[in-house]
Amino acid sequence: GENVEQHPSTLSVQEGDSAVIKCTYSDSASNYFPWYKQELGKRPQLIIDIRSNVGEKKDQRIAVTLNKTAKHFSLHITETQPEDSAVYFCAASIGGGSYIPTFGRGTSLIVHP
Amino acid sequence: DTGVSQNPRHKITKRGQNVTFRCDPISEHNRLYWYRQTLGQGPEFLTYFQNEAQLEKSRLLSDRFSAERPKGSFSTLEIQRTEQGDSAMYLCASSPRTVAYNEQFFGPGTRLTVL
Repeated sequence: GENVEQHPSTLSVQEGDSAVIKCTYSDSASNYFPWYKQELGKRPQLIIDIRSNVGEKKDQRIAVTLNKTAKHFSLHITETQPEDSAVYFCAASIGGGSYIPTFGRGTSLIVHP
Repeated sequence: DTGVSQNPRHKITKRGQNVTFRCDPISEHNRLYWYRQTLGQGPEFLTYFQNEAQLEKSRLLSDRFSAERPKGSFSTLEIQRTEQGDSAMYLCASSPRTVAYNEQFFGPGTRLTVL
């Protein structure tokens, strides 16, 4: 089955800095890669996703890049703000089937004011 | 609130007791998923329904776990003879019909504590 590795487990930055979270996956058939943000005590919420037919997607301060050859994808957050503090999960799934995502273990992002 | 809802939000039980959780997905979503999440981990897949059909179950799902979605709307997850290792957050998520669009919308979860 699919295996998703996520690094780092904890990331501490100063407000205004950039943050990068990296994930690798094992199943070359995976073609949908969502990122979820989970604030303390709250449900995971999708913040951005990318499909295997594109290499990069951007939404305001958030961007995701995908390298299918190397089987890794990354989340980039620019101009971080304290409200970006949360746990971020990457996931990989195969579209067209059951879409069951395999999640990474999460990255706790702490943005210091 | 038209999002995914779960009940109860918290459940404390004694080891050996049975518990049942309920998930109400977003009404037009035909796909429903159950996950377990423990501290410091990502959601771990348990089982998946498309309409009323249970199409996949994780190998992690022991015989003590059973899930139903009788009319293709709400779903229940039952754990029989609970063990302390069952303590976790149980998350439900639903996903819309569109074939190529598989964003998952999560519920708030049910936190289970087994004493």
